[in-house]
Amino acid sequence: QSALTQPPSASGSPGQSVTMSCTGTSSDVGGYNYVSWYQQHPGKAPKLMIYEVNKRPSGVPDRFSGSKSGNTASLTVSGLQAEDEADYYCISYAGNNNLVFGGGTKLTVL
Amino acid sequence: EVQLLESGGGLVQPGGSLRLSCAASGFTFSKSAMSWVRQAPGKGLEWVSGISGSGGSTYYADSVKGRFTISRDNSKNTQYLQLNSLRVEDTAVYYCATKIAVAGSKGAFDIWGQGTMVTVSS
Repeated sequence: QSALTQPPSASGSPGQSVTMSCTGTSSDVGGYNYVSWYQQHPGKAPKLMIYEVNKRPSGVPDRFSGSKSGNTASLTVSGLQAEDEADYYCISYAGNNNLVFGGGTKLTVL
Repeated sequence: EVQLLESGGGLVQPGGSLRLSCAASGFTFSKSAMSWVRQAPGKGLEWVSGISGSGGSTYYADSVKGRFTISRDNSKNTQYLQLNSLRVEDTAVYYCATKIAVAGSKGAFDIWGQGTMVTVSS
């Protein structure tokens, strides 16, 4: 169960768009449409932002969108706002009832 | 209000044991699969274990298999994680998590507890 690969940092100015990647293998990201994304502010529990690659739970702004191509999933945040500054983690189903997280990307709003 | 409340964390020596609890309220607990996710200080998230609504199926990450045991008592709306043979690298905040609005999905947890800290140190 190797962790998914996420860039350690990303940044953008208010109003801009930023895309964060999550790279796995054909045994996890590429093999299933079960990729989720979580937002975590310091000292807080994670919050589900995207599930099943591109679905948004109720209450999550449509500024957040997800996609997948091959073994890489992506989270795009459009119209960046100050409150979007947080850590973002991807997770994928990896078969045999196993789940694997990425190492996380720290998003900075400049 | 849907809520998960963890307890049982603390300081334990390497090789020791601890039992974490997660009390649920505001939803039909017996119909909900549950999981534990941990986060070492300054590090990322790691899925640890999961259990089906009935308790009949349990799942573990390789890093804890054979040392941790997940269970649940649906009459008490509570799930547990028994931590045995603890190692320094098990030091983390342990979160209880479940899925309500996204019940059919894998890896999607829309309800989280506040976490309980486990410190393994001599």
